[in-house]
Order: sequence, then C-alpha cells, then structure tokens
Amino acid sequence: EVQLVESGGGLVQPGGSLRLSCAASGFAFSNSVMSWVRQAPGKGLEWVSVISNSPFNIYYADSAKGRFTISSDNSKNTLFLQMNSLRAEDTAVYYCAKFYSSADSFMAYWGRGTLVTVSS
Amino acid sequence: IVMTQSPDSLAVSLGERAAINCKSSQSVFYSSNNKNYLAWYQQKPGQPPKLLISWASTRESGVPDRFSGSGSGTDFTLTISSLQAEDVAVYYCQQYYNTWTFGQGTKVEIK
Repeated sequence: EVQLVESGGGLVQPGGSLRLSCAASGFAFSNSVMSWVRQAPGKGLEWVSVISNSPFNIYYADSAKGRFTISSDNSKNTLFLQMNSLRAEDTAVYYCAKFYSSADSFMAYWGRGTLVTVSS
Repeated sequence: IVMTQSPDSLAVSLGERAAINCKSSQSVFYSSNNKNYLAWYQQKPGQPPKLLISWASTRESGVPDRFSGSGSGTDFTLTISSLQAEDVAVYYCQQYYNTWTFGQGTKVEIK
C-alpha cells in the first residue's frame, strides 16, 4: 500500500525558511515521480514542484522558482521541499503526491499534508 | 494553460444527476497517442484530494460507476449520475498536458 507522510510544517516569519519532508513507503521510491501541491486556506489546489529520478527532471511553478528546492533521498525513501524567503502567500497545506509513472503524469496518491503558516 | 470550471457550486437532490464542466484555455489532446491529458479529483472536507478519473474518462479502481468523465480537446464534463450523500465534496479538474494546472474547484452539495 502506498503511504506518504508529510512533516516539517509550522509557523515561520516572513523571510524565513522551512524544510518539508515526505516519508514514502509501499512502492519503489527511486523510480517514482513525486510532487508537492499546496492549498491555501479555503482555496484551490496549486502544484508547486515535481521531481523525476528516471529520467532526472525537476519542475517548479513560477511561484516557487528561485525560492523553493525539491530534492529526494532515495536511501531514505524521502522527498523534501526546502522553502526560503517565505511570504504570507505561501501559507497553505502542503501535500506530497506520487504520480503513477512518468507517462501517467497525474497525482495518483496523496499524503494528508502539513500546514505551513507564514506570519509575524 | 488555464482551467476554468463551471459552476462554482451546485446543489443537487439525492439521486439526481450532477454535472461539472471544465474548460481549458488550449487543447489538452495529444494526437500522437489520441489521449486527453485531463484528470478529475474529489476532495472531501479535511481530507486530501482523491483521484477519480484520468485521461478524461478512465475511472480509477474502486471509484463508483456513477462517476463518469467525458469530453475532448478543451471541453470536459464530470457527471455524477445519481448523487449520494457521500459525494458531497469539492471537485477539481486538472490538466497535465503542459506542466500541471487545476481548475478553481466546484462545490457539490445536497439540495
């Protein structure tokens, strides 16, 4: 069974940094395409970043470019999102999601999310 | 690619049909494989989204057959043929033709 468990959210001041983690299990993590999707309070869904290990590709939404960095540790089956220069508008629940495959490039499995609040 | 859903919300009586429309600002149909790069998700309160339909009309395993997807190119529809109480949720369309974009969501309630 695919399981995705996010952690690392919390309250951070504007301009601060936070590192989110997503612990994955139940599938071959090193061959998977993984993503971060966020949802501001009461709002819709917004993809943030996607990483594929085979072939290696990384994508960022315009809102994340230059501030966020996606990475993965295949030895620990863990996905990360390093978020710097955080703004109030980054406040959201951040979901980790897994694609079926590089060809089936939609979010098939989702974690329960971790809340990031950017406020002074 | 901008995804626009209509309506923003709808209230339907139990057992009645609900239809949600999704329009993309450009075609999400890829002629080389004859596929529409369009998915539908359901999100219930306090829960993460759940994939219902991919490739515009392929229902996920375990999704009740009252859910169906149709359309091609730029215009798509998610239909719930007979609304059940457990279908109360927000529904999102998403294109994955060129990176990824979600529609703004459609809230489905019981009338």
